[in-house]
Amino acid sequence: NAGVTQTPKFQVLKTGQSMTLQCAQDMNHEYMSWYRQDPGMGLRLIHYSVGAGITDQGEVPNGYNVSRSTTEDFPLRLLSAAPSQTSVYFCASSSGRIGSPLHFGNGTRLTVT
Amino acid sequence: GENVEQHPSTLSVQEGDSAVIKCTYSDSASNYFPWYKQELGKGPQLIIDIRSNVGEKKDQRIAVTLNKTAKHFSLHITETQPEDSAVYFCAASDDYKLSFGAGTTVTVRA
Repeated sequence: NAGVTQTPKFQVLKTGQSMTLQCAQDMNHEYMSWYRQDPGMGLRLIHYSVGAGITDQGEVPNGYNVSRSTTEDFPLRLLSAAPSQTSVYFCASSSGRIGSPLHFGNGTRLTVT
Repeated sequence: GENVEQHPSTLSVQEGDSAVIKCTYSDSASNYFPWYKQELGKGPQLIIDIRSNVGEKKDQRIAVTLNKTAKHFSLHITETQPEDSAVYFCAASDDYKLSFGAGTTVTVRA
């Protein structure tokens, strides 16, 4: 059982470049989300989706786009990378019911120079 | 939105001693309070959770307590072991979206 799979594990970008962080889950979860983790700031919600075709903004959405064309996949796009987007990014999913556990991937460490 | 504060940011304990991490939240509508453990290079993993209709919950060496009146909840780890060394996050929610604390780095000294 793979759970939540994130690719790549590491990425280095130059300022202004664009890229897509991939996230896939095999648990048939309706709810998927993206968090960024920065030292001393915990996990902050970027975007989330409650089902295919539905996305919404979280706490820190600027500079990121998402789409949800299938239940399994929830890619995160950086349109024009900035040094402030250097962070560790986590994708997470759950069944969407209140109180259901959130399952995390192992993260993508992104450095923007 | 919900604001979760977590203390301390770092905690060093002798093996066998207890560790306590405290969190406060701002939104009185929050009714679900999970705790996650993150090991180096991995994503956070749920270790225990509590709902607002319960004051305390225990699972082997870990326990959580909740005081809804004061809007705070705590994680207690007893008889700490080296494998308890990790970063711990508290979180709060009134729906499926979680708001996380800043994390506590726990180091268990042998």
